[in-house]
Amino acid sequence: AQKVTQAQTEISVVEKEDVTLDCVYETRDTTYYLFWYKQPPSGELVFLIRRNSFDEQNEISGRYSWNFQKSTSSFNFTITASQVVDSAVYFCALSEAIWGSGAGSYQLTFGKGTKLSVIP
Amino acid sequence: NAGVMQNPRHLVRRRGQEARLRCSPMKGHSHVYWYRQLPEEGLKFMVYLQKENIIDESGMPKERFSAEFPKEGPSILRIQQVVRGDSAAYFCASSLTRDGSGNTIYFGEGSWLTVV
Repeated sequence: AQKVTQAQTEISVVEKEDVTLDCVYETRDTTYYLFWYKQPPSGELVFLIRRNSFDEQNEISGRYSWNFQKSTSSFNFTITASQVVDSAVYFCALSEAIWGSGAGSYQLTFGKGTKLSVIP
Repeated sequence: NAGVMQNPRHLVRRRGQEARLRCSPMKGHSHVYWYRQLPEEGLKFMVYLQKENIIDESGMPKERFSAEFPKEGPSILRIQQVVRGDSAAYFCASSLTRDGSGNTIYFGEGSWLTVV
């Protein structure tokens, strides 16, 4: 069975600090997909990134970066120079591959989320 | 994700009433999914539909919950005889194909159901 663990329930940082949100996953598949979503106070889910298990390159997008470590089953998310607008709940999610197809399952398994508060 | 439209955004129902949540997928998307987010929890898969077909309802509670995606019109998640435990955010998502990886699943803004 697949599982996603976000051990940090809540994090508070002062504006301009860097912050890393941890995500550890469990899966039996060798092909799988990892996601990060942001849920601001307004409630909508905002897609941030999708990675497949064959691509371990770290990715950077502006102030956001992701560190995928297959050896430790982790897909951590770092926000550099945090801003108040980054305050939100962040969810890590996993989908396993549909056997034989290389495609991802439509069922995403979500972690419980990490609530990030950036204090001005 | 702005293309997946859900309504109502907020719904209040008394115990025993019915709740109907609507979802219009992104243009061109024929695959629709419903997820539920209970307080302090991550989202959990409920059901996957294509036009006029329920493909996978393994996450749906056995009673009182139903979903449809008719040939014309939005997908509907229906909860009969609501109870306090049904209070949650219900998210609809859509994708171009069944593949939740190569074609990222896009989520709507959610419908918040409160049962009083």
